[in-house]
Formats: sequence, structure tokens, C-alpha cells
Amino acid sequence: QKEVEQDPGPLSVPEGAIVSLNCTYSNSAFQYFMWYRQYSRKGPELLMYTYSSGNKEDGRFTAQVDKSSKYISLFIRDSQPSDSATYLCAMSLGYGNKLVFGAGTILRVKS
Amino acid sequence: DTAVSQTPKYLVTQMGNDKSIKCEQNLGHDTMYWYKQDSKKFLKIMFSYNNKELIINETVPNRFSPKSPDKAHLNLHINSLELGDSAVYFCASSQFGSRPGVNYGYTFGSGTRLTVV
Repeated sequence: QKEVEQDPGPLSVPEGAIVSLNCTYSNSAFQYFMWYRQYSRKGPELLMYTYSSGNKEDGRFTAQVDKSSKYISLFIRDSQPSDSATYLCAMSLGYGNKLVFGAGTILRVKS
Repeated sequence: DTAVSQTPKYLVTQMGNDKSIKCEQNLGHDTMYWYKQDSKKFLKIMFSYNNKELIINETVPNRFSPKSPDKAHLNLHINSLELGDSAVYFCASSQFGSRPGVNYGYTFGSGTRLTVV
């Protein structure tokens, strides 16, 4: 079993839809949780960062962490074609430790 | 002004050759990483250096040898390249020892696409 599980998709939604992306993990010691967006042939770019449990909102993006369920989510409101990319969840035991990534979910937003 | 830059972007080479990939960051970070992304987009850490000191060395064939001449540079040398080494190699940097709650995200380079033929 992988440390971080993420449904690879692809997930196809119409423009304006609310998108929900999820990851589960097995190591309860993870403390830092991140979401990265990767466009084709580009490097991953950091979208959202949360420390411990709770919600964090940034514009159209909301990240949720539920440590009791070992489950993290990224919600995208009013999705746009420019949101079409691969979304990678990542987590770490602590600062300075390696990031462990999920396999990434391919998202396609149709106009 | 690129934050994390890797060269070359593309590398096509024959089996058995030796090649190097270079990485430089201008963010003032003290920790740098090499990650490998396979054809299924799975990102896996290979090495990490903090202030020129190797701190993470995952199970990687010893044909792969990282070198960090200073905290802004991290290179990756690969000997006797094999077909299975074909992948995209990403360099990243971060600031070790960030306080909890402070953004602890990696900044990635744009990757080096290595194809071994």
C-alpha cells in the first residue's frame, strides 16, 4: 500500500463546476499538507499549504485536512478551462523532511 | 528571473553513456532536492542536500551521484545510463527549519526530460 493514495482520474467537468480532489494517507505522523498544480511539461507549482487539521481558503481554492480520517481535499469553485492540469497532493512529517506525493489527478475543465 | 533553473531541459542519450544535470536556485533556500517523475507522473524523492550536506538518500542505484558545491547549486551525475532511467528529473528547493505555520513549500524547476535510447 502506498503511503499516499490519490485517484489518478481523469476527472472531466464543465466550466463553472465545483471540483473536489482528494487524497488519503496512512502515516498519521504527517503534519504538513500541500497541493501542487502541474501543467503539461512544466514543474509542479505550489497551490495551497496547510499545517495540521482544518480549512484554508485562497480565492477559488479551499484546502481541507482531516487528520482523524487521514484525508485531505482540495475544492475548486467556479472551475475554468485554465484549471485543466494535474493536481498533486503532498505531505511531510515536518519541515526539512521529504515531501511524499500522491500519484496526481488529471483534471479537465471543458468550456 | 527564474527561481529554480535546470539545464538541460531535454537530454537524449544512448545506453551506457554518462550524463549530468545541473540545478541552480536564487531563492536563498538552504535545502535542495532531486525528484524523479516516471511516465505515470509519480514523483519520488531521490536526494536532498541541506547546506551542501546530504540529508536524504533514498534507495537509488549508486550510478546516480549528486553533488552540491554550494547551497545554491545541486547537480546530478548519472553513470552507465539504462533504459529505465528515462524520466523527468525535477530539482526543487525549500527553506529547512521554517517555523510551523510558515509556508513550507518546495519550489520546483521546470524539469529535465531524459530519454535513454
